[in-house]
Amino acid sequence: AQSVSQHNHHVILSEAASLELGCNYSYGGTVNLFWYVQYPGQHLQLLLKYFSGDPLVKGIKGFEAEFIKSKFSFNLRKPSVQWSDTAEYFCAASEAGRRALTFGSGTRLQVQP
Amino acid sequence: DTAVSQTPKYLVTQMGNDKSIKCEQNLGHDTMYWYKQDSKKFLKIMFSYNNKELIINETVPNRFSPKSPDKAHLNLHINSLELGDSAVYFCASSQGLANEQFFGPGTRLTVL
Repeated sequence: AQSVSQHNHHVILSEAASLELGCNYSYGGTVNLFWYVQYPGQHLQLLLKYFSGDPLVKGIKGFEAEFIKSKFSFNLRKPSVQWSDTAEYFCAASEAGRRALTFGSGTRLQVQP
Repeated sequence: DTAVSQTPKYLVTQMGNDKSIKCEQNLGHDTMYWYKQDSKKFLKIMFSYNNKELIINETVPNRFSPKSPDKAHLNLHINSLELGDSAVYFCASSQGLANEQFFGPGTRLTVL
């Protein structure tokens, strides 16, 4: 069965620091990959997605992610975080042709002013 | 304009009761989902409907029964509520196999 792993459970950064959140998936076939963000008390919002093509994907709010097929990874990055980036970040994957998403356990990002 | 809406936002009830959560999407999507987010923020798929047909039914107790009266609605009925059902339930929708899912605001269910 497909699984998604996020290794960082809680990350604390100061404003302007660079961010990288790890995500690995287990499925060997074609996958679609996503990063969602959940701000405190709010619903999940899509940050970015990868279906095919350029493995470096740019999303909203200055986030980007790189798909590395050989490492089964889809890490999220941002060069300079802001206090407003404080949120829970979820990596998710779906097998091509299967509609449901499998989520990682989430990473809580806390940005200190 | 809310794309995916859920009611109620909060639901507090006693063990053993039956309750329903409603979900509506105005995006014209053909697929809708229910996810459960537990106290540790872990999100797991429960059900998925495509054009009113059940296509995914994960290992969920049969006390949970989804109902899709039309493509824009997917309701979740829960019988004989248990303490372990306390969670946030998210509805989502997507179109085709593109699988970009849009989530509702969630329903926080607390079973006492």
